[in-house]
Amino acid sequence: GENVEQHPSTLSVQEGDSAVIKCTYSDSASNYFPWYKQELGKRPQLIIDIRSNVGEKKDQRIAVTLNKTAKHFSLHITETQPEDSAVYFCAASSRGYTGGFKTIFGAGTRLFVKA
Amino acid sequence: KAGVTQTPRYLIKTRGQQVTLSCSPISGHRSVSWYQQTPGQGLQFLFEYFSETQRNKGNFPGRFSGRQFSNSRSEMNVSTLELGDSALYLCASSLGGFDTEAFFGQGTRLTVV
Repeated sequence: GENVEQHPSTLSVQEGDSAVIKCTYSDSASNYFPWYKQELGKRPQLIIDIRSNVGEKKDQRIAVTLNKTAKHFSLHITETQPEDSAVYFCAASSRGYTGGFKTIFGAGTRLFVKA
Repeated sequence: KAGVTQTPRYLIKTRGQQVTLSCSPISGHRSVSWYQQTPGQGLQFLFEYFSETQRNKGNFPGRFSGRQFSNSRSEMNVSTLELGDSALYLCASSLGGFDTEAFFGQGTRLTVV
């Protein structure tokens, strides 16, 4: 079945350093790749997304890259701050045969930013 | 605008029982998806509803079912509960396209004893 692998499972960086989280998906029909941030005890919230017709997207300190050929996409956070500490989930979404959609999530990366 | 609301927030049930969880989407959102979140497993897709129809289903046993009402509110039911069903159940609502932002509720934490 469809699968999204996410690495690393845990990432610890010093404040101000960059953090990179990588995901690989299996369903070649996936066309939408959102990233969610989940702080402790809170609901996941969308932080950035990318569609399959775009190779890279940036929003202030956050950027995503997509390589459809390799079925690989990554999240880059620059100049990390303690408030970036959270669990980050990548996801791959595709249309279903009935017109709906299915979103498959990675297992998550717990990011620690040390002050 | 009110966010996605899930009730109840916490549930404790005994093995073999059944449980019903509720999700009220953001006004105007017609798609509701359900996920099971367990430590180390991320969010596992259960099913997606749109205009009272289940459009997609994940790889969960038939004990997991759902429905959606005409006002887009959705319920999820789990019958014959097992210990392994203990998890945080999240629902997310969206306008309905596969590439539209999903807004999550705070979840229902189910503990099966």
